[in-house]
Amino acid sequence: AQSVSQHNHHVILSEAASLELGCNYSYGGTVNLFWYVQYPGQHLQLLLKYFSGDPLVKGIKGFEAEFIKSKFSFNLRKPSVQWSDTAEYFCAVNAPSSNTGKLIFGQGTTLQVKP
Amino acid sequence: NAGVTQTPKFRVLKTGQSMTLLCAQDMNHEYMYWYRQDPGMGLRLIHYSVGEGTTAKGEVPDGYNVSRLKKQNFLLGLESAAPSQTSVYFCASRLDRDREKLFFGSGTQLSVL
Repeated sequence: AQSVSQHNHHVILSEAASLELGCNYSYGGTVNLFWYVQYPGQHLQLLLKYFSGDPLVKGIKGFEAEFIKSKFSFNLRKPSVQWSDTAEYFCAVNAPSSNTGKLIFGQGTTLQVKP
Repeated sequence: NAGVTQTPKFRVLKTGQSMTLLCAQDMNHEYMYWYRQDPGMGLRLIHYSVGEGTTAKGEVPDGYNVSRLKKQNFLLGLESAAPSQTSVYFCASRLDRDREKLFFGSGTQLSVL
């Protein structure tokens, strides 16, 4: 069965600090990978996605993620965080071969950015 | 453009009561999903549907039932609510099983006393 593990449960940073959130998945086949963000009081929104091609993908609001197949990882990065990045971040994986389209989510990482 | 609409937004139930959560999407999406979100556990898939008239179990289906009688609606039912079902429930839909992102509803906060 697929699973997704996010290493950091709660991260506290000061504004302008760099961010890296870890995500590892377990699945031996082809996967699609996603990062979603949930701002306080809002529903989930897509930050970025990887399907194929360049393993370094860029998303909205200056976020990027790198897919490293050999490490089964899809870590999220941002060079300089802002107070408005305070949110919960979820990594998710989808196995196209399953024919269900369902996403399996990680446990989430709460990011708190101090002004 | 409504997207994915969930009703109700909040509900408080007593143990043993029943209720139905409604998810409606106006994007002609084939695939629909019900997730529950709990602190420290992320989103867990309850049930999903790959098309009108079809449903399937996700990771945590026990205590829930679903129906997809119309393509645009996906109903989640709790026949006999338990305190362990206190959670935030999210509905989501997608057009294509592989490549399209999930569109989420705004969530239903359910408390079971």
